Amino acid sequence: DAGVIQSPRHEVTEMGQEVTLRCKPISGHNSLFWYRQTMMRGLELLIYFNNNVPIDDSGMPEDRFSAKMPNASFSTLKIQPSEPRDSAVYFCASSLEGFNTEAFFGQGTRLTVV
Amino acid sequence: AQSVAQPEDQVNVAEGNPLTVKCTYSVSGNPYLFWYVQYPNRGLQFLLKYITGDNLVKGSYGFEAEFNKSQTSFHLKKPSALVSDSALYFCASGSGNTGKLIFGQGTTLQVKP
Repeated sequence: DAGVIQSPRHEVTEMGQEVTLRCKPISGHNSLFWYRQTMMRGLELLIYFNNNVPIDDSGMPEDRFSAKMPNASFSTLKIQPSEPRDSAVYFCASSLEGFNTEAFFGQGTRLTVV
Repeated sequence: AQSVAQPEDQVNVAEGNPLTVKCTYSVSGNPYLFWYVQYPNRGLQFLLKYITGDNLVKGSYGFEAEFNKSQTSFHLKKPSALVSDSALYFCASGSGNTGKLIFGQGTTLQVKP
């Protein structure tokens, strides 16, 4: 397996534009996580899916953020409209089942909103 | 409230010396604990975990960690550091009660030749 695959690796966009980040989890993993990493706030959990169903989205900063998992092999994180404070590295991770099995992280998407 | 503390922003050791990266946690219920490592421009990589069982857990690349319930700690250790161990290390904790994993702020390990 190629691991968790995220695209794009880098994204530069203007304030107010819509941004969509994509993730392909490891085949057979039931849980998928979106994290955001910044210098100021460290690593924050945004949302957690289990069997394609959102279980906990309490970390999603505000209504501008939304995430979907239409099937077991694909998830998106969308920001609309984007703001400069959304600039961060966004990681997708997957695990066999929940938080007590090891998570495998993608290489991340570095988002810069100017 | 659930929390994880890594009290040192940076740890410096000489190659060949033992290293320790500290972590303390606060969760309700029985904890599960993880260590991850992050190299520059990469995602986090799993090193080891404690769920139940032996308090001393052995992981990848010669790392180990000891679960200490009375001190609520889960320090990462390695007997002999390598320059290639230089990276950012994250401790994470959770429990069945909380249903999520919380990461510490990370500790940068610098191993000098």
